[in-house]
Amino acid sequence: AQSVTQLDSQVPVFEEAPVELRCNYSSSVSVYLFWYVQYPNQGLQLLLKYLSGSTLVKGINGFEAEFNKSQTSFHLRKPSVHISDTAEYFCAVTTYSSASKIIFGSGTRLSIRP
Amino acid sequence: DTGVSQDPRHKITKRGQNVTFRCDPISEHNRLYWYRQTLGQGPEFLTYFQNEAQLEKSRLLSDRFSAERPKGSFSTLEIQRTEQGDSAMYLCASSIQGEELVLTFGAGSRLTVL
Repeated sequence: AQSVTQLDSQVPVFEEAPVELRCNYSSSVSVYLFWYVQYPNQGLQLLLKYLSGSTLVKGINGFEAEFNKSQTSFHLRKPSVHISDTAEYFCAVTTYSSASKIIFGSGTRLSIRP
Repeated sequence: DTGVSQDPRHKITKRGQNVTFRCDPISEHNRLYWYRQTLGQGPEFLTYFQNEAQLEKSRLLSDRFSAERPKGSFSTLEIQRTEQGDSAMYLCASSIQGEELVLTFGAGSRLTVL
């Protein structure tokens, strides 16, 4: 069975600073990987996904993530954050055989300081 | 397109009562998912439907839980004889054929069992 670990429960950063949110996964087969964002009182929204192909994936709002198979990681990055990026971020994984069931990490709360 | 709608947004009930949540997916989406999210955790998969067929259920879905999607459109999730441990946010998501892995989430229904 696959699983996903988000190493940081909270990440505080200053506005306009770069940020990296870490995600590691575990699976014995090929995976599909996702990052979702949840703003306060809103539903989860897809930021980006890796299905195949280029390991560097660009998403919405200036975020990008890199799939690293050897390190089993899918870290999320943004070169310069804004106050509006304050939210909870979830990494998620599934496999081809269990694509109906997407497994989420426990989330990382990103707080932006002015 | 009004997105995924969930009703009610908040429900407070006493232990032992039954509750029902409703989810209206995006109209052309044939897949519908239910997840549960507790404080400080990521969403946990409960069950999913393809059209009106319930194709997978998590072990988290005890016999007190039942989900239906009778006409392949809206879905209901009923919890019988609620327990305090059922307190959580119940999330609904839907996806369209061809983009099954891209889930659109509703804002959730928060259940508090006293």
